[in-house]
Amino acid sequence: KAGVTQTPRYLIKTRGQQVTLSCSPISGHRSVSWYQQTPGQGLQFLFEYFSETQRNKGNFPGRFSGRQFSNSRSEMNVSTLELGDSALYLCASSLVASGTGELFFGEGSRLTVL
Amino acid sequence: AQRVTQPEKLLSVFKGAPVELKCNYSYSGSPELFWYVQYSRQRLQLLLRHISRESIKGFTADLNKGETSFHLKKPFAQEEDSAMYYCALSRAGGTSYGKLTFGQGTILTVHP
Repeated sequence: KAGVTQTPRYLIKTRGQQVTLSCSPISGHRSVSWYQQTPGQGLQFLFEYFSETQRNKGNFPGRFSGRQFSNSRSEMNVSTLELGDSALYLCASSLVASGTGELFFGEGSRLTVL
Repeated sequence: AQRVTQPEKLLSVFKGAPVELKCNYSYSGSPELFWYVQYSRQRLQLLLRHISRESIKGFTADLNKGETSFHLKKPFAQEEDSAMYYCALSRAGGTSYGKLTFGQGTILTVHP
């Protein structure tokens, strides 16, 4: 099975712009979660989607949003980018029915805001 | 609020020595605890979870609810154990597995 795929892998934006990141989960996985990883704050939970519904949300401003499509693919969007949004954004999928709680992570999308 | 603390950012041991990576947590409900590992140039992946009570790659971790700890141990470290290790917590029950609270991570280096 193919692993979790995230695109783009690297991108550079300027302050005030917006960005959309994409995540394709492992086939059959219906839960997709997003995390922000920075050297200072570490790994922080953004949101989780299951069957196109946001199931959990982290403590991030409304500029951060996401959605999930019927094929379980997910996107996250950050509007009005700030310098502090520079980070590695990780997507993870899980097979909820397994009950193991195991998350399968992608390689991440590295966003640099100038 | 839930919190996971890994007090050591860096941990160095020699091959064959015992290793213990510390993890303490605070959570008001019933937690599930995990250890995730990231080897060089690889993705973050699950190492073990407390419910399974397994030994994975020689590592074990016991949940101590009294001390709110979930330390990761291995009696004889190997060079291939060198990696970044994250302790993580989620709410028990299955509806929050995607929402993990991670510690800051510990970089383990095993010297030959």
